[in-house]
Amino acid sequence: EDQVTQSPEALRLQEGESSSLNCSYTVSGLRGLFWYRQDPGKGPEFLFTLYSAGEEKEKERLKATLTKKESFLHITAPKPEDSATYLCAVQASGGAQKLVFGQGTRLTINP
Amino acid sequence: NAGVTQTPKFQVLKTGQSMTLQCAQDMNHEYMSWYRQDPGMGLRLIHYSVGAGITDQGEVPNGYNVSRSTTEDFPLRLLSAAPSQTSVYFCASRYSGYTEAFFGQGTRLTVV
Repeated sequence: EDQVTQSPEALRLQEGESSSLNCSYTVSGLRGLFWYRQDPGKGPEFLFTLYSAGEEKEKERLKATLTKKESFLHITAPKPEDSATYLCAVQASGGAQKLVFGQGTRLTINP
Repeated sequence: NAGVTQTPKFQVLKTGQSMTLQCAQDMNHEYMSWYRQDPGMGLRLIHYSVGAGITDQGEVPNGYNVSRSTTEDFPLRLLSAAPSQTSVYFCASRYSGYTEAFFGQGTRLTVV
C-alpha cells in the first residue's frame, strides 16, 4: 500500500531561521512527488513536482529535493508570509489518478 | 481563467438530506477528482474521473455519487447525509494522470 508520512506535524521558527520539512514515502513505482502549500480556509496550491531521485527544484525561499525514500522541503531565511501547512503527495505508476497525501506539516514563522 | 470553481463554500445539512457539491474547471483537463480533508487524516480520494462518461471509486467512496457528462463539470452527490460526512471537500483537476493537480477553494460541509 502506498504511504506518505510527513514530519514534523508542526514546526515553529523565528523569522530568518532556516529549516527542513520531511516527506517519507513508500510507493510501488514513483511517477511523481508533489509539494503543495495550503493556507487556512483555502485549497492546496501547487509548489513543485519531482520525478526522480537527485532532482531539485527551487522557488524563492523554498527548495525541494528527492531521494529514493524521501523528499525534503528546505526553507531558507523564512518570512512570516511563509506560514502555512505544507503537503506532500505521491503518484504511483499503477494508479493514474490516485495521489496519496501525507498529513502535512503546519509551519509557523514568528516575526 | 478561473481554474477550479467549487460551490457552495459553506453548507449545513440535516442528517438524511441530500445535496450536490458543484465543481467546474475551465482548463480543459480530462482528469478530475474529489477529496475530503479531515483533521489528522490528510486528503483522501473519494471519486475520480479520467474523462467525460468515465468515473471510478477512490479510497472513501461510500455515501457519495458522481457523474461526468461534460469535460468541465464533475458534481459530487451526497445521497443521504450523515454526521460522518462533516468535512471539507476539495475538487481538483489535472492535465494528465501524472501532472500536478489544481484545487478549488473547498466546500465546508457540516451535517447535524
